[in-house]
Order: sequence, then structure tokens, then C-alpha cells
Amino acid sequence: DSGVTQTPKHLITATGQRVTLRCSPRSGDLSVYWYQQSLDQGLQFLIHYYNGEERAKGNILERFSAQQFPDLHSELNLSSLELGDSALYFCASSELRTGIYYGYTFGSGTRLTVV
Amino acid sequence: EDQVTQSPEALRLQEGESSSLNCSYTVSGLRGLFWYRQDPGKGPEFLFTLYSAGEEKEKERLKATLTKKESFLHITAPKPEDSATYLCASESYNTDKLIFGTGTRLQVFP
Repeated sequence: DSGVTQTPKHLITATGQRVTLRCSPRSGDLSVYWYQQSLDQGLQFLIHYYNGEERAKGNILERFSAQQFPDLHSELNLSSLELGDSALYFCASSELRTGIYYGYTFGSGTRLTVV
Repeated sequence: EDQVTQSPEALRLQEGESSSLNCSYTVSGLRGLFWYRQDPGKGPEFLFTLYSAGEEKEKERLKATLTKKESFLHITAPKPEDSATYLCASESYNTDKLIFGTGTRLQVFP
């Protein structure tokens, strides 16, 4: 157990629907990163939050949004789902705004299947 | 735009056959270069962070090195349990992004 908790582990939903993925970072970690991992594209950076504030955005679709709450957990909302959104979604956390001192710790991911 | 490219995409080794994985990076203001190991269906596991050219770090059969343009992950006398995908990532001072390469899938056969 890495200490980063992602729920749910698996999610199957229909096209057009909306889902929420949840990430609880390790205790004391202020930074949360979200990634999408498809078979053919590797780990794609979506968004980075630090202590509740958005720090950086990747190629995140307009249908996707995220936030980090005062208790530091984060949620990734995916709406108007398409078949191509099927992927593993990972979150990672670090103590500081950067992970260079202790690395980033990843959760075990949420596998989203859109049918 | 920051970019990380890994090669080869896949590597098959006999147990004990040493080799190297390559990570080329183009990053404006490199803050750190990371190596991760990922097993199928699991989250990446942190291995090393390198900060500056010339730096080296070791862990068991793995040794990571860094130049101004590339990083190498050397695997000495690999064992079947070293089979995994190895990911390289860069973090920039300028963007606060952690960008990953597509990884090298390593298979070690007994």
C-alpha cells in the first residue's frame, strides 16, 4: 500500500455519462497530480494541484475537470464520456510543490471502461 | 514544449545479460529527472531522482546516470523479477509539470 488511495478501483459506465474519481493523497502531502494512461499513449499529464490551488494543466479535455478540497483529497470529474476515455486514471502525491526530494507516490489507479 | 523520449520501446534480455535504457529529454529549466518502474495494472513505483549532469544513483542491479540531454538506466545482471516497464519523467522549474516518456518494456528470461 503506497498510502495514496484511489476510489473506485474499477468503473464501467455508458457513453454520455458523468463519473467522479477520487484520490486521497498520503498524509501530509500537499501536491496531487492526475494522469491518464491508455494502452497506446503512456502516462498523459492532466492536472496538478498544490494545497488547493491549480498549479499546472496538461492536455486536459474541456469535458474533464478537477479540484482539490481543503482536506487535500482531490476529485477528477469526467463528463459526456466517450469510448476513447476508457483508460487507467492515476493520481500521485508529493509532500511539496515538487517531488524532487522524495519522489511522487502513485495510487493503484481507477480503471474506467466506457461502453 | 517539454518532451521526454525513451528507447527502445521494448527489450528482451536473458537473465544475467546487462543492458541500458535511454531517456532523452528536452526541458526548459530541468528541476529533476525521475525513473519509475511500473508493473502491469499497477501504479508506477519511484526508483530515482537525478538533479544535475554527471550525477549517478544506484539501487541493487539498477544504476541511473544523467547528462545535459539524456539519462540512462543501466541494468546489471538482470533477473526475471526485473521484468517491468521502466518510465522516465522530467519536472520543470518553469511549468510545475511532471512529464513522462512512453516507457521501455523490459522482459528478462531465465
